Amino acid sequence: EDKVVQSPLSLVVHEGDTVTLNCSYEVTNFRSLLWYKQEKKAPTFLFMLTSSGIEKKSGRLSSILDKKELFSILNITATQTGDSAVYLCAVYNTDKLIFGTGTRLQVFP
Amino acid sequence: DAGVIQSPRHEVTEMGQEVTLRCKPISGHNSLFWYRQTMMRGLELLIYFNNNVPIDDSGMPEDRFSAKMPNASFSTLKIQPSEPRDSAVYFCASSLRTNRGPEQYFGPGTRLTVT
Repeated sequence: EDKVVQSPLSLVVHEGDTVTLNCSYEVTNFRSLLWYKQEKKAPTFLFMLTSSGIEKKSGRLSSILDKKELFSILNITATQTGDSAVYLCAVYNTDKLIFGTGTRLQVFP
Repeated sequence: DAGVIQSPRHEVTEMGQEVTLRCKPISGHNSLFWYRQTMMRGLELLIYFNNNVPIDDSGMPEDRFSAKMPNASFSTLKIQPSEPRDSAVYFCASSLRTNRGPEQYFGPGTRLTVT
């Protein structure tokens, strides 16, 4: 059975800290891995990764994929209170996205 | 572009009643997905359509749930009869299907409460 596992389940940090969120997967017919951010509403797209070892970067957020070890990480540097959200990892397997249960990040001032 | 539109945004109903959720995907997108999100199970795919055709409904919990997509700009998810355990946030998402993977765009969701 295809599955996507995220860790940790939740994380509490102070502003300015750097965090690393993990996503491992066992999915047949892997095509790509996507990261989403969900605040109190719908998930919004962050990154899509298809190749190993190539970092995607957007401001203070960055992500990388390891297709040999079947995992991805999402890094957030110099965290801000606005980064507080649930971060979802999803794997695309030719037809649909399979989501992990998410990591809840809380950033306190 | 208005993005994915869902209605209603909130629905409160009594057990046994029929509930219909509506979705208008982004114009030009050819795939549409219905998800359910709860604290216990996270985001679950219920059913998805490609070019208005249902492709995989294995996530639909039981026969009380049904979904239709009569044209490229409209889809419904119906629950009949509704039960308290159906209480959740229901998201509709759309994408332009590619070989590498969909960048899915989510609607604002419908928060359903069944009492």
